[in-house]
Amino acid sequence: DARVTQTPRDKVTEMGQEVTMRCQPILGHNTVFWYRQTMMQGLELLAYFRNRAPLDDSGMPKDRFSAEMPDATLATLKIQPSEPRDSAVYFCASGPGLDEQFFGPGTRLTVL
Amino acid sequence: SQKIEQNSEALNIQEGKTATLTCNYTNYSPAYLQWYRQDPGRGPVFLLLIRENEKEKRKERLKVTFDTTLKQSLFHITASQPADSATYLCALDMGGSYIPTFGRGTSLIVHP
Repeated sequence: DARVTQTPRDKVTEMGQEVTMRCQPILGHNTVFWYRQTMMQGLELLAYFRNRAPLDDSGMPKDRFSAEMPDATLATLKIQPSEPRDSAVYFCASGPGLDEQFFGPGTRLTVL
Repeated sequence: SQKIEQNSEALNIQEGKTATLTCNYTNYSPAYLQWYRQDPGRGPVFLLLIRENEKEKRKERLKVTFDTTLKQSLFHITASQPADSATYLCALDMGGSYIPTFGRGTSLIVHP
């Protein structure tokens, strides 16, 4: 049963620290997404990759966030430096195109 | 501005009844609309996709309608069960990019 995996599942860090979140998409999927979910804003798109190329990162704060896909089995989302307002659940999702997305379990980030 | 609206109030229904959830959108004609289910502490799970040229789609106890004139989708769960209790999110492409944007979701509570 193929699944999207994310690590870590939980992360508590202090303001100013670097945070790296990792995602392994489902093998064969050519689209990868990073989302952030909060009670206030709901599910917001941060970045979108197709065939490992970044196609949309308009929802991502560019000064502190970066997203990459070094290879087809790994997507990373990095925050440097982290701030308390970055506290949220970060989801990675992959799909065979855009018609449906398979979400990972999420990384719950708390920045103190 | 473009908006996706889902009822923020929880829908409470009795087991066995049909649950109907609403997704309204403004200012744009999406090419498709998706529905997802999200349980607490988990990532969303894809349920159904309906395209702009389709009026209705069914899957087991689920039915989705798409009225592009009213700019509305209805999501029905027939013969509802307590296990159907969850938050249901709609998603649609809101700018011609074909990338889905999510609504805030509506919580469904099915009472035994």
